[in-house]
Amino acid sequence: DQQVKQNSPSLSVQEGRISILNCDYTNSMFDYFLWYKKYPAEGPTFLISISSIKDKNEDGRFTVFLNKSAKHLSLHIVPSQPGDSAVYFCAASAGNQFYFGTGTSLTVIP
Amino acid sequence: DAGVTQSPTHLIKTRGQHVTLRCSPISGHKSVSWYQQVLGQGPQFIFQYYEKEERGRGNFPDRFSARQFPNYSSELNVNALLLGDSALYLCASGIGAGTDTQYFGPGTRLTVL
Repeated sequence: DQQVKQNSPSLSVQEGRISILNCDYTNSMFDYFLWYKKYPAEGPTFLISISSIKDKNEDGRFTVFLNKSAKHLSLHIVPSQPGDSAVYFCAASAGNQFYFGTGTSLTVIP
Repeated sequence: DAGVTQSPTHLIKTRGQHVTLRCSPISGHKSVSWYQQVLGQGPQFIFQYYEKEERGRGNFPDRFSARQFPNYSSELNVNALLLGDSALYLCASGIGAGTDTQYFGPGTRLTVL
């Protein structure tokens, strides 16, 4: 049972534009959410996180939005850069276990 | 500072064999979690260890076991390997247990023939 879903396997965006990656979850007990970026042949790299008591968290070009009523999470990257091209995973936690989505492959076109 | 390290990088085994994967956490981190990532999927949680005790276990068979040592490094053991065990095995470390940002190592690519 996939508790964290990323329904868009891929996304292409022009350099300088906004990239929006989406994530949905089913478990209302999740209280901590994270985004990771993964390049081929490397482990996932932590990007940004948000606690369930917040609805927005910013870190430079990255902003994560949390809509608890919709059980929806999104990552905004502004402006997008070619180096942002990677697979992005969202993850959610309740207790000691993290649940990951299947990933969205982002391509930023120069 | 060194990040999470894992060894070996790649491994090829045959069905029925046993494998041991190793992980060293970031200095100061006391929790280690193991994940299995099959091609095209997100990482699937296998175990979390904190202060040498198992704190969480995912939906994996008893062929999978792990332990954490006094220096907080960890081993993942898989017995009676199956073809379906072929995957990237990721280790992540964190400062504490439970809800805490986890930092991943580069992974060990296991191929079972």
